[in-house]
Amino acid sequence: QVHLQESGPGLVRPSQTLSVSCSVSGISISSGGYYWTWVRQLPGGGLEWLGYIFNGVTTYYNPSLKGRLTISEDRSKNQLFLNLTSVTAADTAIYYCARDSGRAARPVYFDRWGQGSLVTVSS
Amino acid sequence: DVQMTQSPSMLSASVGDRVTITCRASQSISQWLAWYQQKPGKAPKLLIYSASTLERGVPSRFSGSGSGTEFSLTISSLQPDDFASYYCQQYHSYSETFGQGTKVEMK
Repeated sequence: QVHLQESGPGLVRPSQTLSVSCSVSGISISSGGYYWTWVRQLPGGGLEWLGYIFNGVTTYYNPSLKGRLTISEDRSKNQLFLNLTSVTAADTAIYYCARDSGRAARPVYFDRWGQGSLVTVSS
Repeated sequence: DVQMTQSPSMLSASVGDRVTITCRASQSISQWLAWYQQKPGKAPKLLIYSASTLERGVPSRFSGSGSGTEFSLTISSLQPDDFASYYCQQYHSYSETFGQGTKVEMK
């Protein structure tokens, strides 16, 4: 059974970097063929696709984040990482890691989700 | 980006009711649409993909239809476990985008 579990800082100061990790169990992220994804949910409820990493090398990002986002993975620990720089209050959200169904062709939908990590940006 | 618009934003219904939620895309997305259910404090759960294909394990009272720009999610007989928020998502065009959500509450 594939399981994803996010871990984040809870509170980040404005202009700092937001970092969230996602531990994956039940499948090796190095097995390939999946888009390992970050999605966030804003306080009003809206869902926003942030980006994904494919086969450990290729990353795709939402252009709206204007180069502030980096997605990476540590295959030895079977973990994913999100780093979002220069954060503002508008980045306050629940950050979810997710996985696509294995279509191996983007764009994709998501059939596995973590439980989410709430990150608040505030001074 | 393709804009996804759901209606209504909220609806009140009773157990046993037939409920329909609509999702409109700002341009044709063929059948590349997914529906998710989300309960408070939980992650979204995939219900339907390819507009009408039920994800494994999802009750048959859920169904999806549509193509092009107009789609719908129908719950044939609302059950207590179905009071939740529902989101559509297109995966026809980069970047993947979601509707704003529909909350189904108890009347």
